Amino acid sequence: EAGVAQSPRYKIIEKRQSVAFWCNPISGHATLYWYQQILGQGPKLLIQFQNNGVVDDSQLPKDRFSAERLKGVDSTLKIQPAKLEDSAVYLCASSTSSGSPTDTQYFGPGTRLTVL
Amino acid sequence: AQSVTQLGSHVSVSEGALVLLRCNYSSSVPPYLFWYVQYPNQGLQLLLKYTSAATLVKGINGFEAEFKKSETSFHLTKPSAHMSDAAEYFCAVRRNTGGFKTIFGAGTRLFVKA
Repeated sequence: EAGVAQSPRYKIIEKRQSVAFWCNPISGHATLYWYQQILGQGPKLLIQFQNNGVVDDSQLPKDRFSAERLKGVDSTLKIQPAKLEDSAVYLCASSTSSGSPTDTQYFGPGTRLTVL
Repeated sequence: AQSVTQLGSHVSVSEGALVLLRCNYSSSVPPYLFWYVQYPNQGLQLLLKYTSAATLVKGINGFEAEFKKSETSFHLTKPSAHMSDAAEYFCAVRRNTGGFKTIFGAGTRLFVKA
């Protein structure tokens, strides 16, 4: 079974530029998550999708971050414009559904963003 | 609000020694608890999860964790450390925000000395 795919793996941009990350979840997984992991911290949920609807985006900085999941499969996370404090690893994860609190989340390798 | 606290940002053990990584949770209701491992430049991988079926939970790679309600703890252990266990470990709790949001601890980096 193929895992969660993310691209690019690394990205370096200057502040105020825009950047986009792509995620392809495991086939058949209805729920998709985007996390931000700042160096030395645990991952923080940015947004959670159930199919192509948003379940939780309470910690997404909506003035600069946006995410979409068209057709309930792939997802894109965008930052526009980027700030220095956005430097982090952006992790995508997927699970079969959000119906059970013990659903296993499967994580991709992440995209390491450096903002200069 | 539910949260987890991991005691010790770094833990160092010798190969073959006991591994003990500490996690305490705060929750007003029975929690759903998880341990994840993250190897360098990789995503997180689930080690084990507490589902209330048993207080002692066995996971992959010889790890286990015991849920102790009286101590609000869910410490991770492994009897004998291996060099390949060197990684970052995250304790996490899941809370219901309409979609069961996962809250991660700050992580504990495990070093294994030869």
